[in-house]
Amino acid sequence: EAGVAQSPRYKIIEKRQSVAFWCNPISGHATLYWYQQILGQGPKLLIQFQNNGVVDDSQLPKDRFSAERLKGVDSTLKIQPAKLEDSAVYLCASSLGRGSGLEQYFGPGTRLTVT
Amino acid sequence: KQEVTQIPAALSVPEGENLVLNCSFTDSAIYNLQWFRQDPGKGLTSLLLIQSSQREQTSGRLNASLDKSSGRSTLYIAASQPGDSATYLCAVFNQAGTALIFGKGTTLSVSS
Repeated sequence: EAGVAQSPRYKIIEKRQSVAFWCNPISGHATLYWYQQILGQGPKLLIQFQNNGVVDDSQLPKDRFSAERLKGVDSTLKIQPAKLEDSAVYLCASSLGRGSGLEQYFGPGTRLTVT
Repeated sequence: KQEVTQIPAALSVPEGENLVLNCSFTDSAIYNLQWFRQDPGKGLTSLLLIQSSQREQTSGRLNASLDKSSGRSTLYIAASQPGDSATYLCAVFNQAGTALIFGKGTTLSVSS
């Protein structure tokens, strides 16, 4: 079974530029998550999708971050404009259904450096 | 607000030692708890998922316990190997049982 795929793996941009990340979850997984992991910290949830609908985006900085999951499969996370403090690893995860406490499977992440 | 703390932040042991990693959480009303491993520059690998009704879960040399009433979980690694060197993250589900809340992790180094 293929795991969660993410691209690109690394990205370096200057502040005020825009950037987009892509995620393809495990086949059949209805729930998709985007987490932000700053160096030395645990991942923090940014947004959660159930199929193509948003379940939780309470911690997403909506003035600069946006995300979509068209057709309930792939997802993109965009930052525009980027700030220095956005430097982090952006992790995508998926889980099988909508139930509580379901095991989450993570992709390799995209490491973003904002200079 | 749920907070997850992991102690110690870093740990160095010689090969062959048994070791315990600790995780505590402030709100005992949790769903499940999940332990992950993260290698440098890599994503998270799920190690064990403990259901809220369970007391422990085992996989190979790993054993995780959960004590909801005291807000604690431990990850026991038997006969440690250099390949076990990584950061170990503990995470509990939020009140809705949907998203994970992570600790900062324990970075383990096993020397041969």
